[in-house]
Amino acid sequence: EDQVTQSPEALRLQEGESSSLNCSYTVSGLRGLFWYRQDPGKGPEFLFTLYSAGEEKEKERLKATLTKKESFLHITAPKPEDSATYLCAVQADSGGYNKLIFGAGTRLAVHP
Amino acid sequence: AAGVIQSPRHLIKEKRETATLKCYPIPRHDTVYWYQQGPGQDPQFLISFYEKMQSDKGSIPDRFSAQQFSDYHSELNMSSLELGDSALYFCASSATGPGNTIYFGEGSWLTVV
Repeated sequence: EDQVTQSPEALRLQEGESSSLNCSYTVSGLRGLFWYRQDPGKGPEFLFTLYSAGEEKEKERLKATLTKKESFLHITAPKPEDSATYLCAVQADSGGYNKLIFGAGTRLAVHP
Repeated sequence: AAGVIQSPRHLIKEKRETATLKCYPIPRHDTVYWYQQGPGQDPQFLISFYEKMQSDKGSIPDRFSAQQFSDYHSELNMSSLELGDSALYFCASSATGPGNTIYFGEGSWLTVV
């Protein structure tokens, strides 16, 4: 069964304190791994798509990397406005027509 | 840039009533997805449509139905509402092809009382 596990569940950082969020996945044929940011009561906001092991993508203070078993979302020198829930999701060959399978998310709180 | 538009943003219904949610995908996106997100939970896939045909089905209750129309907008119909149906319902859309980015709307808050 396709599965996505995110850790930690919650993370509290001081402003400027870099850290990484983990997304481990078990799928039968990865089509793509997606990172989204979600603010309370809002829709998931697209951040990155990664397709193959070794791929990396960056956007401002965020950098996403992918291996054959997991993905990391690195946050460099975070600011309070980076506080949100970060969702990892995969599209798998066995997952039907492109549907996303989500992890439970990591709730990030960045304090001044 | 145009985004996925959902309506209404909020609605309150009583148990056993019916509710209809609407979704307008990003222009030129031919695939629409519906997700349900309960409080503190990750989004759960309900159903998807490609070119107006149902393409995949997830954990959608039999009381719910959905369709995609000729202009690609989609509607999620929920009948015999239960308290447990209270959630944030997201619509998302993408262009054809595996790995294409799926963009989400802001969601419709359904509260069943």
